[in-house]
Amino acid sequence: DAGITQSPRHKVTETGTPVTLRCHQTENHRYMYWYRQDPGHGLRLIHYSYGVKDTDKGEVSDGYSVSRSKTEDFLLTLESATSSQTSVYFCAISESVAGSYNEQFFGPGTRLTVL
Amino acid sequence: AQSVTQLGSHVSVSEGALVLLRCNYSSSVPPYLFWYVQYPNQGLQLLLKYTSAATLVKGINGFEAEFKKSETSFHLTKPSAHMSDAAEYFCAVSKPSGTYKYIFGTGTRLKVLA
Repeated sequence: DAGITQSPRHKVTETGTPVTLRCHQTENHRYMYWYRQDPGHGLRLIHYSYGVKDTDKGEVSDGYSVSRSKTEDFLLTLESATSSQTSVYFCAISESVAGSYNEQFFGPGTRLTVL
Repeated sequence: AQSVTQLGSHVSVSEGALVLLRCNYSSSVPPYLFWYVQYPNQGLQLLLKYTSAATLVKGINGFEAEFKKSETSFHLTKPSAHMSDAAEYFCAVSKPSGTYKYIFGTGTRLKVLA
């Protein structure tokens, strides 16, 4: 299994509070992604990173920010959590080497509940 | 723009029966295509991938998928369902270059009946 961990695995918070989710990898992969998974929507890309300090928005980035100060860590921050951000969040990694064909490896997920 | 459509959010099959999960895509360039499986309370695991080397792709756990350009399809099949196949399955499309972002389908939950 790819070395990807997410923390926390479960979190309950209140509306208006800031929340930071962490994704940590031991594979030294260049690309990292944050998705949210909601029933009926599959996985939707929030933000992604293509290198240290290089990040860009995905399709559902409103209300989220990210940071990547080291290759191994990709942080997702909800500045002021809302109930609509209740979801399961997945981190993924990939590398652009010959033969990888863009395959992404996924972490175990973080279940976030915003009350 | 790329997109993926998975027909059928829920599919039920009897144990031992054929599994067919449908995926249609749209892409302006020849895509890479993927099928992932998600077991309850777990992350996603790659089943198989199409990268233009062969149109019939074999994956893990007895699954395979056939890329049909004329039909813009990449349906997932397994000849004989097993109870352990009960899970949610996601189809995804990616461009072969650039930032390697995926576009996922909305998923199909497979139920296997005894």
